[in-house]
Amino acid sequence: GGIITQTPKFLIGQEGQKLTLKCQQNFNHDTMYWYRQDSGKGLRLIYYSITENDLQKGDLSEGYDASREKKSSFSLTVTSAQKNEMAVFLCASSIRGREQYFGPGTRLTVL
Amino acid sequence: GQQVQQSPASLVLQEGENAELQCNFSSTATQLQWFYQSPGGSLVSLLSNPSGTKHTGRLTSTTVTKERRSSLHISSSQTTDSGTYLCAIVSNTGANTGKLTFGHGTILRVHP
Repeated sequence: GGIITQTPKFLIGQEGQKLTLKCQQNFNHDTMYWYRQDSGKGLRLIYYSITENDLQKGDLSEGYDASREKKSSFSLTVTSAQKNEMAVFLCASSIRGREQYFGPGTRLTVL
Repeated sequence: GQQVQQSPASLVLQEGENAELQCNFSSTATQLQWFYQSPGGSLVSLLSNPSGTKHTGRLTSTTVTKERRSSLHISSSQTTDSGTYLCAIVSNTGANTGKLTFGHGTILRVHP
């Protein structure tokens, strides 16, 4: 078995601030994902990466940057936090084309 | 674009009753997963079922690929089953090829 950890668990930011979320997995999976979940909506893909140093845009990449520093870690940066923004950011990993496993999430609140 | 529709949007049951959740999708799915999300919790994969019928515990999923639909049956529901059930597919066509696309979920509440 393996585990996905996300830090921080809760993130409170100010409008305009640059915020970074981190994700680590020890499954040795090649592909990692970042999703955003808003209340009452499904998950939307922000970025994904199929291998170290690879980056692919999802449906919601505008306003975000991502970095796959090594196989086990994938970071997401909110380039400029929007006032009153509230969402959960979920990281996932998989062997490409196979079942995805999710982390516990980072809950973002922007004041 | 590719869509995943789940029904019902919400469901309220008495403990012991069965639940039937539906997922319909607009393009051919090479992979289909059912997830459970507890209130405020993360996603837990319940079943990966791109075709046919699969069982695990009190859960049964049936996917009819040609008809682009899947169902999740929960038998003898318990209060701890309360939460959101999400259906997601991976398609091999269009802009979302290889990516997981989620429905909006069914919120299940089971009362004692």
